[in-house]
Amino acid sequence: GNSVTQMEGPVTLSEEAFLTINCTYTATGYPSLFWYVQYPGEGLQLLLKATKADDKGSNKGFEATYRKETTSFHLEKGSVQVSDSAVYFCALKGGGSGYSTLTFGKGTMLLVSP
Amino acid sequence: DVKVTQSSRYLVKRTGEKVFLECVQDMDHENMFWYRQDPGLGLRLIYFSYDVKMKEKGDIPEGYSVSREKKERFSLILESASTNQTSMYLCASSFPPGSYEQYFGPGTRLTVT
Repeated sequence: GNSVTQMEGPVTLSEEAFLTINCTYTATGYPSLFWYVQYPGEGLQLLLKATKADDKGSNKGFEATYRKETTSFHLEKGSVQVSDSAVYFCALKGGGSGYSTLTFGKGTMLLVSP
Repeated sequence: DVKVTQSSRYLVKRTGEKVFLECVQDMDHENMFWYRQDPGLGLRLIYFSYDVKMKEKGDIPEGYSVSREKKERFSLILESASTNQTSMYLCASSFPPGSYEQYFGPGTRLTVT
């Protein structure tokens, strides 16, 4: 079956530091990959996506590249802000599925201090 | 903007009670989902529905049931609440079939004592 593994947190950084959150996956076929973000007290919202190998998703300064050879989709940001403090979830949608079900990782909490 | 609302942000119930969690979306989405979120376990899919009166089991359906009588409303039912159902419950919706972007509500934190 499908599965997503992401690094455990919390990840604690100072403002303007470089961020990497690792995500690897197991899936059959050609999955689509996503990062969702959950700010304190809120539901999840889509941050970025990549639907085929070598695609790069980007949004709000965050980037992730779909690497089929390493089955990875690591999230990066060059300079984090305090407002980026949140929980980040890596997720996949299996290729060819007629339904919209997603498989989520366990989430990584990011804490950014001034 | 898509809006997904959940009936309560916080709920406290006693063991054995029947509990209803309500979710409403305002964008005519066909697909709706119920997840529970627990520390260290992430999001786990309980049930989903791809049409009115249709439902499919997710990864952890035991102890739960759902109802979808109208397209915009998807209810999660705990027939007899137990303490191990204390959790954050998140509702989501998406459109069209096969879409990957899910829109989430703010969640209901349920405590069963």
